[in-house]
Amino acid sequence: GAVVSQHPSWVICKSGTSVKIECRSLDFQATTMFWYRQFPKQSLMLMATSNEGSKATYEQGVEKDKFLINHASLTLSTLTVTSAHPEDSSFYICSAAGGMDGDTQYFGPGTRLTVL
Amino acid sequence: GNSVTQMEGPVTLSEEAFLTINCTYTATGYPSLFWYVQYPGEGLQLLLKATKADDKGSNKGFEATYRKETTSFHLEKGSVQVSDSAVYFCALSEAAGNKLTFGGGTRVLVKP
Repeated sequence: GAVVSQHPSWVICKSGTSVKIECRSLDFQATTMFWYRQFPKQSLMLMATSNEGSKATYEQGVEKDKFLINHASLTLSTLTVTSAHPEDSSFYICSAAGGMDGDTQYFGPGTRLTVL
Repeated sequence: GNSVTQMEGPVTLSEEAFLTINCTYTATGYPSLFWYVQYPGEGLQLLLKATKADDKGSNKGFEATYRKETTSFHLEKGSVQVSDSAVYFCALSEAAGNKLTFGGGTRVLVKP
């Protein structure tokens, strides 16, 4: 149980375009989802926390107009990187928490974004 | 604020060696503690967790005991395999739905 999927697993886009990444909890209802960014050989950096049906809470320094997060249902959250630039290239990982095991975050496999 | 400190890597071992990765934490309350493992190019997988003092989490031969008196949650495995090569993250969470505070990660390389 507690499986989280992400789609796509990798994406290459041109500078100036927008990219949407989906995060789904497949076998549980996720009341809270988290989005992280990870640079090579570094730890995860939390970008934002989202609760189903409400606005996401962004960490300091994360541009909310650039990284749009939607948590429309208890099983789906999306991250849209708007007007992507090469510096947005990174590994983006989501996690989900909920249910009886609510203190545990289960992570998706990650999405590698490359902006040309 | 909360913080997690874990030993820096890389840690290089031979197969069947004993592995210890130290993790200490600072928290204002009574956090839950976690070890996650990340294989190359993948997301994080929950390895084990402990939710209160003296709890022992275990999975796949790995163990860690929640030591409140020393604010530690050291990860151990008695006999590592090449397939255990990965990055290991220690983390804490103060409440359900709360964000995780991660350590910096420890890269482990097991050689045949």
